[in-house]
Order: sequence, then structure tokens, then C-alpha cells
Amino acid sequence: DAGVIQSPRHEVTEMGQEVTLRCKPISGHDYLFWYRQTMMRGLELLIYFNNNVPIDDSGMPEDRFSAKMPNASFSTLKIQPSEPRDSAVYFCASLRVGNTIYFGEGSWLTVV
Amino acid sequence: QQPVQSPQAVILREGEDAVINCSSSKALYSVHWYRQKHGEAPVFLMILLKGGEQKGHEKISASFNEKKQQSSLYLTASQLSYSGTYFCGTAGTSYGKLTFGQGTILTVHP
Repeated sequence: DAGVIQSPRHEVTEMGQEVTLRCKPISGHDYLFWYRQTMMRGLELLIYFNNNVPIDDSGMPEDRFSAKMPNASFSTLKIQPSEPRDSAVYFCASLRVGNTIYFGEGSWLTVV
Repeated sequence: QQPVQSPQAVILREGEDAVINCSSSKALYSVHWYRQKHGEAPVFLMILLKGGEQKGHEKISASFNEKKQQSSLYLTASQLSYSGTYFCGTAGTSYGKLTFGQGTILTVHP
């Protein structure tokens, strides 16, 4: 089975630009998570969905961040406008209840 | 609330043992252990459910003390491939939302 698929793997963008990160969860998994990883803050949960419905977005840092899951096989995390402090690795992960979380390879974002 | 891992870093020589601890202030349903190598995604090692069980995976095993809300990861006869950052993720309920500790950096030298 394919794992969690994320794109792009690497993105360098200028401050103020819109960034869209994409994720395809593992088929059959009903939970999807967006995590952000930085040296200073470690792995932070930004938002998670259950059956395509956002359950908890309390980790989203501010209104510049938004996430959607229009169907069971696709989710996006959008940052608009982006700022240098948004530079991080963004992981998408999915889970089926009773199992554990499986991470994608991550999207390495650099905002200059 | 983020679980606390200790130690923050460990340096070993091949063949030596190590223990990494994970503590939570909240009641736990499960503890999940991951290893992450530089530039890669965290990789699942094992999951422990409340009930105080111990699990093993080759020379890596873990325990979960439900009463103390603590878990420990045991690495025996370490190999170079064990190097990486180890994270514990904790869940307070069965549906699996994980909160991760800050990580323990393990370095194994020849």
C-alpha cells in the first residue's frame, strides 16, 4: 500500500506569497493530521480531521493558516500570506482508529 | 499538554544500552514511540495501550506504567542504525490524536 503522500517536498517562496501544501492520506484511514516541526518547538499539531470534518484547529497559529479536506483522499494546508517564521517542515499524517499515526515524507518550506 | 522526555540527548558506543523516558501529567490511553532520522519523517516503532504492557521489537522494547503515566523505551546492544531522534506520542483517548514530546537525540558511535 502507498503511504501518506505529500507535495511539494520542498518549497522556497518569498514573504507575502501564498503557499499550498497537499496531502493524500492512506486509503481507509479516517483521521488526517497536519503537524509542523521546527527545532524550537518540535512537532506541533496544527489541525486534524475525522471523516473529512475538522475536529480541532486550536493549533493553527493564526488566521493566515487554513486547512481543508474536500474528500477522503485529499487535504490542503494553505498559508496566505507567508512569513519567514513559517519556515518549517510540515507533515501530514493519517490514522485508522485502533492503529497508529503514519507520517508522510514532509514538505520542507522556506520563506525568504 | 506535551509529554516530557528524558534525557534530551544520549551518546553511546555500539553495543551499549540506553533507556529513554516519557512522562505525562495527564491520564493516558496509549503511548506511541517513533524514531526520526535527519531529513526524514518519523517512523513508527511501537504502540503501548493502557494496561501496563511491555512490548518488544528485536532489541528495542518499551513499557507503559499506567498509574505513573510513564513509558520507557529500552534499546539494548545498540547499533549504528539506532541513531536518530526518538519521540513519544501520547493519546488521552482511543481515537489517536497524539501529542509529541520534545524528542531525545540518540547518537551511536562505532
